[in-house]
This record gives sequence, C-alpha cells and structure tokens, in this order.
Amino acid sequence: DAKTTQPTSMDCAEGRAANLPCNHSTISGNEYVYWYRQIHSQGPQYIIHGLKNNETNEMASLIITEDRKSSTLILPHATLRDTAVYYCIVRMDSSYKLIFGSGTRLLVRP
Amino acid sequence: NAGVTQTPKFQVLKTGQSMTLQCAQDMNHEYMSWYRQDPGMGLRLIHYSVGAGITDQGEVPNGYNVSRSTTEDFPLRLLSAAPSQTSVYFCASSYSPGGPGETQYFGPGTRLLVL
Repeated sequence: DAKTTQPTSMDCAEGRAANLPCNHSTISGNEYVYWYRQIHSQGPQYIIHGLKNNETNEMASLIITEDRKSSTLILPHATLRDTAVYYCIVRMDSSYKLIFGSGTRLLVRP
Repeated sequence: NAGVTQTPKFQVLKTGQSMTLQCAQDMNHEYMSWYRQDPGMGLRLIHYSVGAGITDQGEVPNGYNVSRSTTEDFPLRLLSAAPSQTSVYFCASSYSPGGPGETQYFGPGTRLLVL
C-alpha cells in the first residue's frame, strides 16, 4: 500500500472550510484514498473515500488531483466537534488492511 | 445494533500477567481486526481475521494471540504482559475483507497499563 504524507497540525475558524491536504505520490492505479478521523482518543470514524473522481457525502468532500498524487479533504463548515486527528490512507481495493500514519491534528477555533 | 463493543474499558496489569481483551460485533461482519495505538502515534495492526477459524498476523503481532471461533467474537490475548504493551487497543470490523468502499467500524477502545 502506498504511503501518505500529511501536515502534522492545522487549524481553522469555526464556520469556515477546513482543507486538509494529503500527498500520496506513489499511489497505484487500483488504490483508493480513504479518510478516517479520530476524535479525542475514540475509535476512528470513516469519513469518505475515492478512486479518481471527486466525491461528496454528508460529512465532507474529497478532491483528488488528476494525476492522483495528492488529495484534499474538505469540511465545508467546520464546527468545534470537528476537532480531531484526520488520517489519509491509501488502500488497494482487494486489501482489507488499513495502514495508519500519524495524521493531521485539526483544531477548530471558536 | 450495538456495533463493535470492547471490554474492559480500562485495565491495569502487572508485568508477566496474562489477560484477554474482548471484542464483539453484532453486524454479521466477516472481517475483524485488532490495532494498538501508542501515545501520539497512529494505529498499528496486530492481528486480523477474515472469517471464523481464519486469523493472520498484522504489523506488530509479537506477544499477542487471537482466535476466531464465532463470527461475532474476536478476543485478543496477552500471554505475558510487558510495559511495552501499555497502549490503547481498538477492535474493528467490516462486512467483507476487502473491496472498494468497504469501511471499517471501530470499537471505543481498551486502555491498558502494564506496570
């Protein structure tokens, strides 16, 4: 599975969009990009995933560059409850293993 | 559905003691796994199971045993606890072992302190 690189920490103001970047320059054609988050030492929570098209659900949007070497998770209107560690994970469609890196610690400021 | 449940929530052990961390899910998921998370780190895979009777090792299996006799339960056994096993342990499950979009559901964690 390809490795990912994320900033250690970020912050944003409540109500504004939070844009979390992830680099995965060694991603291969059959690997998906997944995002999970972990709120205050709880179990990780699935957010969204994508292959090459942009994706949106009720929680977030995922923008994947055309060359698929990087992606951005967008929380459109961040709230204080979005303060968490966000993990970008690349996984093959046939693999069941999730390889977690250190993630990005997002702090949403009032 | 209760989802993924873990017991106990917190445990203190002395070096050399053994114990079993319990994990259960009521979603009829085939795939179950155990992770550990050390302070300030991401999760690391210990063991996993793709169905009843089938288990395999993850990244950090040493010092841990697992078995999967039923679909619902996936206990993690510490054979002889060491201070290096002080960590938070998470159990996870998913409907199938793989496939695009297959999401994993995590339990609330067990905090283990080994003195």
